[in-house]
Amino acid sequence: GDSVTQMEGPVTLSEEAFLTINCTYTATGYPSLFWYVQYPGEGLQLLLKATKADDKGSNKGFEATYRKETTSFHLEKGSVQVSDSAVYFCALSDDYKLSFGAGTTVTVRA
Amino acid sequence: NAGVTQTPKFQVLKTGQSMTLQCAQDMNHEYMSWYRQDPGMGLRLIHYSVGAGITDQGEVPNGYNVSRSTTEDFPLRLLSAAPSQTSVYFCASRTPGPQETQYFGPGTRLLVL
Repeated sequence: GDSVTQMEGPVTLSEEAFLTINCTYTATGYPSLFWYVQYPGEGLQLLLKATKADDKGSNKGFEATYRKETTSFHLEKGSVQVSDSAVYFCALSDDYKLSFGAGTTVTVRA
Repeated sequence: NAGVTQTPKFQVLKTGQSMTLQCAQDMNHEYMSWYRQDPGMGLRLIHYSVGAGITDQGEVPNGYNVSRSTTEDFPLRLLSAAPSQTSVYFCASRTPGPQETQYFGPGTRLLVL
C-alpha cells in the first residue's frame, strides 16, 4: 500500500538556520503530496501541497518540490524562526485517504 | 464558519467504559475521517465516511464504531475502552478529489486507565 517515510527527529536549529526535512513516498498511482504542520497543543494545518510531478508547493517561506524520479517531497526553509517550532508531517493522498509519515519535531532556538 | 469542531478536548476513562467522541463540520464536506495520533507513528486512519449513511474501515478500526446520519456529524464510539486506546484523536473533513485539502479539528486527548 501507499506509504510515507520521513526523516526522524528531533531537529534542533538556531534562528536563521536552513531547514530540510526529507520525505520519500511509495505509491502505486499518482498521489498528491502534502506537508502539514502541528503547533503545540493544536490540530494539523496544511502547510503546502503539490498535485503532480515537478510542482512546487510554497507557503510561509517553506518550499517542497514533487520529484517523481526520486519519489521525494523534501521540505525546505532558508531561514527559520522560533515560531517555526512545530511537528511537521509529510503525507500523500490517493483518492480520499491520507497516509502520513511519523512526523518530525523541529525546535528553533533564539 | 467554525470549520471542524471536536468535543471533548480531554477525557479520562477507566478500562471497559464506553464513550463517544463528537465531531462536526459546517463546510458541507462529504468526506470525513477519524485519525489517532501516537508518538512516532504519525496519524493512522481509524474510520472514514464518503457521505451520509456510508462508512468504512481504515487502518486501525478495531474497538471503534462510527455512524454518519448527517453530513455535518461523524461521531466515534469506543465500545469498551482499553489502555491501548490512549491517544490523541483527530477528526477531519474535505471535499472530494485527491488534490483537496483535509481540514482537521483541534483533537481530543484520551487517557484510558
